[in-house]
Amino acid sequence: GEDVEQSLFLSVREGDSSVINCTYTDSSSTYLYWYKQEPGAGLQLLTYIFSNMDMKQDQRLTVLLNKKDKHLSLRIADTQTGDSAIYFCAEIPGLSKLIFGTGTRLQVFP
Amino acid sequence: NAGVTQTPKFQVLKTGQSMTLQCAQDMNHNSMYWYRQDPGMGLRLIYYSASEGTTDKGEVPDGYNVSRLKKQNFLLGLESAAPSQTSVYFCASSYSSGSGDEQFFGPGTRLTVL
Repeated sequence: GEDVEQSLFLSVREGDSSVINCTYTDSSSTYLYWYKQEPGAGLQLLTYIFSNMDMKQDQRLTVLLNKKDKHLSLRIADTQTGDSAIYFCAEIPGLSKLIFGTGTRLQVFP
Repeated sequence: NAGVTQTPKFQVLKTGQSMTLQCAQDMNHNSMYWYRQDPGMGLRLIYYSASEGTTDKGEVPDGYNVSRLKKQNFLLGLESAAPSQTSVYFCASSYSSGSGDEQFFGPGTRLTVL
């Protein structure tokens, strides 16, 4: 079946790195995504990775993909208070079926 | 460009009432989607529309209906609201329904059914 799992909470100190993990079950997904949701707002695409890549770096964001273990991670370097949000990983295993994880609430404290 | 807009932002209904949630996009996108977000469950797809005039069921379509009469609008209807439909509803759109196309989300509608 299709299932995307994430841990619910992560708390980090400002300036440290954050690592948010995700596991998925459908290996047919061509792209895997990370979305960010700030309080009271909709989702905003942060970054994505093509399934034939192992890593993608975009400024403070690093996405790692382990296809063998079906594991996706998002690393945020030098985490800031403005990074506090809920982060969702998502996959599209089939046409128009974007499957979201449960979301990880990242809290950054000074 | 306004992107994806949703109305209303908040709504309170009594059990059995009906209402329509409205979604509009000005990006000339072909595909549009309705999701609901519940605590601890992420977002779940209710219905989607790959193109104007077509609609398909998603993961949780029961109790809802949709309409895509115009390319820029996607309406979500609740014929007889139930407390289980209390949720935050998000509309999204994308250029196509292919796996590489980014979905752009509206700000959400918070619905409470008493």
